[in-house]
Amino acid sequence: GQSLEQPSEVTAVEGAIVQINCTYQTSGFYGLSWYQQHDGGAPTFLSYNALDGLEETGRFSSFLSRSDSYGYLLLQELQMKDSASYFCAVGGGYQKVTFGTGTKLQVIP
Amino acid sequence: EAGVVQSPRYKIIEKKQPVAFWCNPISGHNTLYWYRQNLGQGPELLIRYENEEAVDDSQLPKDRFSAERLKGVDSTLKIQPAELGDSAVYLCASSYYRGGDYNEQFFGPGTRLTVL
Repeated sequence: GQSLEQPSEVTAVEGAIVQINCTYQTSGFYGLSWYQQHDGGAPTFLSYNALDGLEETGRFSSFLSRSDSYGYLLLQELQMKDSASYFCAVGGGYQKVTFGTGTKLQVIP
Repeated sequence: EAGVVQSPRYKIIEKKQPVAFWCNPISGHNTLYWYRQNLGQGPELLIRYENEEAVDDSQLPKDRFSAERLKGVDSTLKIQPAELGDSAVYLCASSYYRGGDYNEQFFGPGTRLTVL
């Protein structure tokens, strides 16, 4: 089976940096992805890591350590619009994608 | 380019009634997914289609849930009869998978089902 753990809630100040961690247990690893979901909205893809290291896309970066079964999403220069839920997910390709329970990020002024 | 379209956006029914959801994926996407998302949880896969074929339906409660994807395009998900515990958001997603280890999924806005 597959399971993922994320903090349930994180609060950060506008303009600051926040890191959302994700640990996973999976049989057969195909990569770690991150999705953003605003309240009432659809999940939208942010990033995917198949190999160890840091992937950067604008203000967002994602990190993976396969040996530690661990990854994180780093959000820089936080904006109010970044307030949303963030989900890590394992799987891809022909492997079923399993989502974590999500981290609700609140950005405060 | 139009995104994934779902209808209806909201549905309220009484328990034991049937309900159906419709999904139109992004044009050209060969893979279609139905997810259920309970409040405060991540999406949970119900069924995945590769073209017309259901390749993963292990999480679909087959005693009351059914799905079809005619001609490898649109898809419908049906619940009959609905139970109180079926109240959730039902998300449809699509992707274009051409091999390799990942294919980005594009989600529709979902159908929020309330069973009374």
